[in-house]
Amino acid sequence: QSVLTQPASVSGAPGQTVTISCIGADSNIGAGYDVHWYQHLPGTAPKLLIYGNINRPSGVPDRFSGSKSGTSASLAISGLQADDEADYYCQSYDRTLTAYVFGSGTEVTV
Amino acid sequence: EVQLLDSGGGLVPRGGSLRLSCAASGFTFSDFAMAWVRQAPGKGLEWVSVISGSGKTTDYTESVKGRFTISRDNSKGTLSLQMSSLRPEDTARYFCAKRCSSSKCYKAFDFWGQGTLVAVSS
Repeated sequence: QSVLTQPASVSGAPGQTVTISCIGADSNIGAGYDVHWYQHLPGTAPKLLIYGNINRPSGVPDRFSGSKSGTSASLAISGLQADDEADYYCQSYDRTLTAYVFGSGTEVTV
Repeated sequence: EVQLLDSGGGLVPRGGSLRLSCAASGFTFSDFAMAWVRQAPGKGLEWVSVISGSGKTTDYTESVKGRFTISRDNSKGTLSLQMSSLRPEDTARYFCAKRCSSSKCYKAFDFWGQGTLVAVSS
């Protein structure tokens, strides 16, 4: 069972906006640790999509945006495109577990 | 260009051992902490272990403590994971990952390998 909770799947039509939630606790997101997001296509290397809650690495389109509030965070994908179909994971750090923790993962279907 | 090439996976019996390797290039290897993350079939990502840039500090997820050992050779730019007393629940694709160093991306993993598959038979 993952420490960070995400919806199992979300879907949207091309051009729409979808949002993925990442619910944590006082020992991780609520403790002030940053949230990072990854895009993963099975069989490939996961890709860092958002770091430090809101920042995009070079090359990541501004259709992807992150936010954080309290013990949770969110990833929004606007202008949904077919190649956005992938699994998305949030990640943070937990001070009680002293471990890097990932969300349960969300499958995005376009 | 940062490249991480994972290797060493395979099929092993319960209780067996395996050594994974990750060849890094495109960055100053010793400047960055490195980690192993795994994904069991049909499951999500799970952090396994991390090692500091110098190699002096290591940490492990609870389920592998005492069984797995992470190490690095900064002269060769390689990361390793020695796995012993393997269990069927260790079956997964194992990814090596470079940890980001700046304050903005602290504790994020900015580059990943393609992964190597480990299967433990019961």
